[in-house]
Amino acid sequence: QSVLTQPPSVSAAPGQKVTISCSGSTSNIGNNHVSWYQHLPGTAPKLLIFDNNRRPSGIPDRFSGSKSGTSATLGITGLQTGDEADYYCGTWDTSLSGLVFGEGTKVTVL
Amino acid sequence: GQLVESGGGSVKPGGSLRLSCAVSGFSFSYAWMSWVRQAPGKGLEWVGRIKSNPDGGATDYAAPVKGRFSVSRDDSKRTFYLQMDSLKTEDTALYYCATLYDGTALDFWGQGTLVTVS
Repeated sequence: QSVLTQPPSVSAAPGQKVTISCSGSTSNIGNNHVSWYQHLPGTAPKLLIFDNNRRPSGIPDRFSGSKSGTSATLGITGLQTGDEADYYCGTWDTSLSGLVFGEGTKVTVL
Repeated sequence: GQLVESGGGSVKPGGSLRLSCAVSGFSFSYAWMSWVRQAPGKGLEWVGRIKSNPDGGATDYAAPVKGRFSVSRDDSKRTFYLQMDSLKTEDTALYYCATLYDGTALDFWGQGTLVTVS
Protein backbone atom coordinates (compact mmCIF):
# COMPACT_ATOMS: atom_id res chain seq x y z
CA GLN A 1 0.00 0.00 0.00
CA SER A 2 1.66 3.20 -1.20
CA VAL A 3 1.52 6.50 0.68
CA LEU A 4 0.67 8.20 -2.63
CA THR A 5 -2.66 7.33 -4.24
CA GLN A 6 -3.18 7.22 -8.00
CA PRO A 7 -6.06 5.84 -10.05
CA PRO A 8 -5.24 2.39 -11.48
CA SER A 9 -6.10 3.39 -15.03
CA VAL A 10 -7.29 6.19 -17.29
CA SER A 11 -8.15 6.12 -20.97
CA ALA A 12 -9.10 8.43 -23.81
CA ALA A 13 -9.18 8.55 -27.58
CA PRO A 14 -6.24 9.79 -29.67
CA GLY A 15 -5.97 13.57 -29.58
CA GLN A 16 -7.90 13.86 -26.34
CA LYS A 17 -6.64 14.83 -22.88
CA VAL A 18 -6.15 12.76 -19.75
CA THR A 19 -5.31 13.80 -16.23
CA ILE A 20 -3.78 11.60 -13.53
CA SER A 21 -4.15 12.54 -9.89
CA CYS A 22 -1.71 11.80 -7.09
CA SER A 23 -2.89 12.28 -3.54
CA GLY A 24 -0.59 12.35 -0.52
CA SER A 25 -0.14 14.16 2.76
CA THR A 26 1.74 16.99 4.42
CA SER A 27 4.72 14.71 5.04
CA ASN A 28 5.24 14.16 1.31
CA ILE A 29 3.47 16.14 -1.43
CA GLY A 30 2.45 18.92 0.91
CA ASN A 31 6.05 19.92 1.67
CA ASN A 32 8.17 18.50 -1.16
CA HIS A 33 8.46 18.72 -4.91
CA VAL A 34 6.61 16.16 -7.02
CA SER A 35 7.97 14.31 -10.05
CA TRP A 36 6.22 12.25 -12.70
CA TYR A 37 7.61 9.28 -14.63
CA GLN A 38 6.57 7.41 -17.75
CA HIS A 39 7.40 3.70 -17.70
CA LEU A 40 7.10 0.90 -20.17
CA PRO A 41 7.82 -2.30 -18.16
CA GLY A 42 11.28 -3.67 -18.85
CA THR A 43 12.62 -0.33 -20.05
CA ALA A 44 14.16 2.56 -18.18
CA PRO A 45 11.57 4.89 -16.64
CA LYS A 46 11.62 8.42 -18.06
CA LEU A 47 11.33 11.61 -16.03
CA LEU A 48 8.50 13.72 -17.44
CA ILE A 49 8.01 16.40 -14.78
CA PHE A 50 10.14 17.56 -11.85
CA ASP A 51 9.75 20.32 -9.26
CA ASN A 52 5.95 19.93 -9.61
CA ASN A 53 5.65 21.49 -13.06
CA ARG A 54 9.00 21.66 -14.85
CA ARG A 55 9.78 19.59 -17.93
CA PRO A 56 13.26 18.20 -18.64
CA SER A 57 14.78 19.06 -21.98
CA GLY A 58 13.19 16.99 -24.75
CA ILE A 59 9.84 16.40 -23.03
CA PRO A 60 7.06 17.89 -25.18
CA ASP A 61 4.74 20.51 -23.72
CA ARG A 62 1.83 18.06 -24.15
CA PHE A 63 2.89 16.89 -20.69
CA SER A 64 2.20 19.23 -17.78
CA GLY A 65 2.25 19.04 -14.00
CA SER A 66 0.61 20.94 -11.19
CA LYS A 67 0.39 20.74 -7.42
CA SER A 68 -2.09 22.05 -4.91
CA GLY A 69 -1.81 21.32 -1.21
CA THR A 70 -1.30 17.59 -0.76
CA SER A 71 -2.27 16.59 -4.30
CA ALA A 72 -0.60 16.72 -7.68
CA THR A 73 -1.83 16.21 -11.22
CA LEU A 74 -0.22 15.13 -14.49
CA GLY A 75 -1.93 16.22 -17.69
CA ILE A 76 -1.35 14.77 -21.13
CA THR A 77 -2.92 16.55 -24.08
CA GLY A 78 -3.04 15.49 -27.73
CA LEU A 79 -2.95 11.84 -26.66
CA GLN A 80 -0.91 9.56 -28.93
CA THR A 81 -0.65 5.77 -29.14
CA GLY A 82 2.96 6.12 -28.05
CA ASP A 83 1.75 7.55 -24.73
CA GLU A 84 0.40 4.15 -23.68
CA ALA A 85 2.46 3.36 -20.59
CA ASP A 86 2.40 3.33 -16.81
CA TYR A 87 2.76 6.70 -15.11
CA TYR A 88 4.05 7.21 -11.58
CA CYS A 89 4.17 10.19 -9.28
CA GLY A 90 6.99 10.43 -6.78
CA THR A 91 8.26 12.67 -4.03
CA TRP A 92 10.29 12.70 -0.82
CA ASP A 93 8.51 11.73 2.36
CA THR A 94 9.90 13.60 5.31
CA SER A 95 8.40 11.24 7.93
CA LEU A 96 9.72 8.11 6.20
CA SER A 97 13.02 9.76 5.20
CA GLY A 98 12.69 8.21 1.79
CA LEU A 99 11.41 8.59 -1.73
CA VAL A 100 7.90 7.34 -2.29
CA PHE A 101 6.02 6.49 -5.47
CA GLY A 102 2.37 6.19 -6.27
CA GLU A 103 1.05 2.78 -7.29
CA GLY A 104 1.09 3.77 -10.94
CA THR A 105 -1.61 4.60 -13.49
CA LYS A 106 -1.96 2.75 -16.77
CA VAL A 107 -2.85 5.05 -19.65
CA THR A 108 -4.74 3.43 -22.50
CA VAL A 109 -5.33 5.13 -25.83
CA LEU A 110 -8.66 3.89 -27.13
CA GLY B 1 24.65 10.75 -19.09
CA GLN B 2 24.74 6.97 -19.24
CA LEU B 3 24.19 4.49 -16.43
CA VAL B 4 24.84 0.76 -16.82
CA GLU B 5 23.89 -1.73 -14.13
CA SER B 6 25.49 -5.12 -13.67
CA GLY B 7 25.74 -7.88 -11.11
CA GLY B 8 22.22 -9.24 -11.22
CA GLY B 9 21.54 -12.95 -11.20
CA SER B 10 19.90 -15.80 -9.37
CA VAL B 11 20.56 -16.42 -5.67
CA LYS B 12 19.03 -18.52 -2.91
CA PRO B 13 17.16 -16.97 0.02
CA GLY B 14 19.60 -15.78 2.66
CA GLY B 15 22.30 -15.19 0.06
CA SER B 16 24.09 -12.03 -1.00
CA LEU B 17 24.62 -10.12 -4.21
CA ARG B 18 26.33 -6.87 -5.11
CA LEU B 19 25.01 -4.71 -7.92
CA SER B 20 27.13 -2.12 -9.69
CA CYS B 21 26.14 0.97 -11.64
CA ALA B 22 28.81 2.41 -13.94
CA VAL B 23 28.29 6.05 -14.80
CA SER B 24 29.59 8.12 -17.71
CA GLY B 25 28.83 11.40 -19.35
CA PHE B 26 28.42 13.69 -16.35
CA SER B 27 30.17 14.74 -13.17
CA PHE B 28 29.62 11.66 -11.03
CA SER B 29 31.34 12.95 -7.91
CA TYR B 30 28.67 15.62 -7.43
CA ALA B 31 25.72 13.36 -8.25
CA TRP B 32 23.34 11.94 -5.69
CA MET B 33 22.50 8.37 -6.64
CA SER B 34 19.60 6.07 -5.99
CA TRP B 35 18.41 2.50 -6.53
CA VAL B 36 14.83 1.72 -7.50
CA ARG B 37 13.31 -1.70 -8.10
CA GLN B 38 10.27 -3.19 -9.77
CA ALA B 39 9.05 -6.60 -8.68
CA PRO B 40 7.17 -8.72 -11.23
CA GLY B 41 3.70 -7.29 -11.76
CA LYS B 42 4.28 -4.49 -9.27
CA GLY B 43 5.05 -0.79 -9.40
CA LEU B 44 8.24 1.16 -8.83
CA GLU B 45 9.72 0.93 -5.33
CA TRP B 46 12.54 3.13 -4.05
CA VAL B 47 15.36 1.16 -2.39
CA GLY B 48 17.95 3.66 -1.17
CA ARG B 49 20.12 6.65 -1.96
CA ILE B 50 23.53 8.11 -1.30
CA LYS B 51 24.41 11.78 -1.37
CA SER B 52 27.56 13.02 -3.05
CA ASN B 53 30.71 13.09 -0.93
CA PRO B 54 30.89 16.93 -1.12
CA ASP B 55 27.37 16.89 0.37
CA GLY B 56 28.36 14.49 3.15
CA GLY B 57 27.82 11.09 1.54
CA ALA B 58 24.87 10.17 3.80
CA THR B 59 22.67 7.20 2.95
CA ASP B 60 18.95 6.49 3.39
CA TYR B 61 17.01 3.28 2.86
CA ALA B 62 13.46 2.10 2.40
CA ALA B 63 12.03 0.23 5.38
CA PRO B 64 11.83 -3.21 3.66
CA VAL B 65 15.59 -3.27 2.99
CA LYS B 66 16.99 -1.33 5.95
CA GLY B 67 19.62 -3.36 7.79
CA ARG B 68 20.01 -5.80 4.87
CA PHE B 69 21.02 -3.58 1.94
CA SER B 70 23.69 -0.90 1.78
CA VAL B 71 24.61 1.62 -0.91
CA SER B 72 28.09 2.94 -1.53
CA ARG B 73 30.07 4.75 -4.18
CA ASP B 74 33.58 4.89 -5.57
CA ASP B 75 34.02 8.25 -7.21
CA SER B 76 37.42 7.26 -8.63
CA LYS B 77 35.74 4.43 -10.54
CA ARG B 78 32.57 6.41 -11.27
CA THR B 79 30.61 3.49 -9.89
CA PHE B 80 27.69 3.19 -7.49
CA TYR B 81 26.94 -0.03 -5.61
CA LEU B 82 24.12 -1.88 -3.90
CA GLN B 83 25.19 -4.60 -1.49
CA MET B 84 22.28 -6.93 -0.81
CA ASP B 85 22.52 -9.38 2.09
CA SER B 86 20.01 -11.74 3.71
CA LEU B 87 18.05 -11.77 0.48
CA LYS B 88 14.39 -12.77 0.54
CA THR B 89 12.14 -14.06 -2.23
CA GLU B 90 10.31 -10.73 -2.13
CA ASP B 91 13.53 -8.98 -3.20
CA THR B 92 13.11 -10.52 -6.66
CA ALA B 93 12.91 -7.55 -9.00
CA LEU B 94 14.45 -5.55 -11.81
CA TYR B 95 16.85 -3.13 -10.12
CA TYR B 96 17.50 0.29 -11.64
CA CYS B 97 20.11 2.84 -10.69
CA ALA B 98 19.34 6.51 -11.25
CA THR B 99 20.70 9.96 -10.57
CA LEU B 100 18.77 12.00 -8.05
CA TYR B 101 18.20 15.67 -8.81
CA ASP B 102 17.45 18.06 -5.98
CA GLY B 103 16.78 15.12 -3.66
CA THR B 104 13.40 14.32 -5.20
CA ALA B 105 13.58 13.69 -8.97
CA LEU B 106 15.22 10.67 -10.62
CA ASP B 107 16.43 12.19 -13.84
CA PHE B 108 18.70 9.66 -15.53
CA TRP B 109 18.13 5.91 -15.33
CA GLY B 110 19.93 2.74 -16.31
CA GLN B 111 18.26 -0.14 -18.14
CA GLY B 112 18.11 -2.32 -15.04
CA THR B 113 19.56 -5.62 -13.87
CA LEU B 114 17.42 -8.57 -12.83
CA VAL B 115 17.73 -10.17 -9.41
CA THR B 116 15.95 -13.45 -8.76
CA VAL B 117 15.82 -14.92 -5.25
CA SER B 118 14.51 -18.48 -5.18
